[in-house]
Amino acid sequence: EVQLVESGGGLVQPGGSLRLSCAASGFTFSGYWMTWVRQAPGKGLEWVANIREDGREKYHLESLKGRFTVSRDNAKNSLYLQMNTLGAEDTAVYYCARYVVMRQQRGLDYWGQGTLVTVSS
Amino acid sequence: DIQMTQSPSSLSASVGDRVIITCRASQGIRNDLGWYQQKPGKAPRRLIYAASSLQSGVPSRFSGRGSGTEFTFTISSLQSEDVATYYCLHHYTYPLTFGGGTRVEIK
Repeated sequence: EVQLVESGGGLVQPGGSLRLSCAASGFTFSGYWMTWVRQAPGKGLEWVANIREDGREKYHLESLKGRFTVSRDNAKNSLYLQMNTLGAEDTAVYYCARYVVMRQQRGLDYWGQGTLVTVSS
Repeated sequence: DIQMTQSPSSLSASVGDRVIITCRASQGIRNDLGWYQQKPGKAPRRLIYAASSLQSGVPSRFSGRGSGTEFTFTISSLQSEDVATYYCLHHYTYPLTFGGGTRVEIK
């Protein structure tokens, strides 16, 4: 059974940093792209970042570049999101998801339960 | 960036009704689109991929169609357990973008 479990969320002060983790199990983690998506309270879904199977190709939402960085450790079956210089606008539930790249199956087929990040003083 | 315009933003329908949601892309995206269901307090779940393919385990009352810039998502007979917010997502190019969501309620 595919499982994605996020952790690392919590309360952080404006300007602070946080590193989210996503532990994957039930599939060959090194064989899949992975994705971070966030959702501000009461708002819609927003794509944050994608990372290739080997970690050498990454894409980030342009407005977050320089502050957020996606990475992975295939030996630990783990995905990460390093978030720096956090502001109130980054308050959201952050989801990790598995991204299937095969063209006719492309999309986010499994999601974690999310981890809440609250930026407040 | 490709914009996804989803409509309506909310709807209320009776059990058994047919429900149709539309997503329009600001430029052609072939069939690189999926539909996702999010129940309150839960993570999203993919229902449709490649615009019209049903995800394994998803009831057949859900369907999708379209290509290029116009896409529709249909619930053929609304059930009480379908109360949720539905999102389209394109993955034609980066950045991936979601539609604004459609909140579906029971009348």
